[in-house]
Amino acid sequence: DAGITQSPRYKITETGRQVTLMCHQTWSHSYMFWYRQDLGHGLRLIYYSAAADITDKGEVPDGYVVSRSKTENFPLTLESATRSQTSVYFCASSLVGPEAFFGQGTRLTVV
Amino acid sequence: AQSVTQLGSHVSVSEGALVLLRCNYSSSVPPYLFWYVQYPNQGLQLLLKYTSAATLVKGINGFEAEFKKSETSFHLTKPSAHMSDAAEYFCAVSDSGGYQKVTFGIGTKLQVIP
Repeated sequence: DAGITQSPRYKITETGRQVTLMCHQTWSHSYMFWYRQDLGHGLRLIYYSAAADITDKGEVPDGYVVSRSKTENFPLTLESATRSQTSVYFCASSLVGPEAFFGQGTRLTVV
Repeated sequence: AQSVTQLGSHVSVSEGALVLLRCNYSSSVPPYLFWYVQYPNQGLQLLLKYTSAATLVKGINGFEAEFKKSETSFHLTKPSAHMSDAAEYFCAVSDSGGYQKVTFGIGTKLQVIP
């Protein structure tokens, strides 16, 4: 299917565990982004990538790791999950400029 | 530094009434401005964007927004609310045109009362 897909849609994990959220886009967009959405904060940028093998920190990168070995994939890894990382995570992609397309989100609960 | 303020985290309107969602921005350079809509359990979808062309921007689903530099505002309006407009709306600003520099507001949840 064309578009941007995130998996899993829902995830429950325990404190201290490593968890990876997947993001895949079929448009060959250069830019990809990871946001977290929390009540009262809107969307905050975690990491972004301008192209394969090029990544950079956003506003709230601590505790997260990203990689982008292929243009179409941009996984987000929580190395040691904490309760404060309970959130809804959105992946987005953009060809160029400020218009982005969002995935449906992953709701992560850390217990 | 750029920032955006959405006035009113919750707005209720009657079906058929005017929708007005307020957004004020701060930017040191001419900004790019956006409104996104998020339906329950969905990602964000672009409603409209201002990129220094016409100050009145028309978007999807009958929404429009007017860029007012003197008021640093970019309010979203729709003449007649429909039940399907119930969603959360986010205003966003970018001072560089590059998406990594976009700052989102905290969102306004729109309730449409039948």
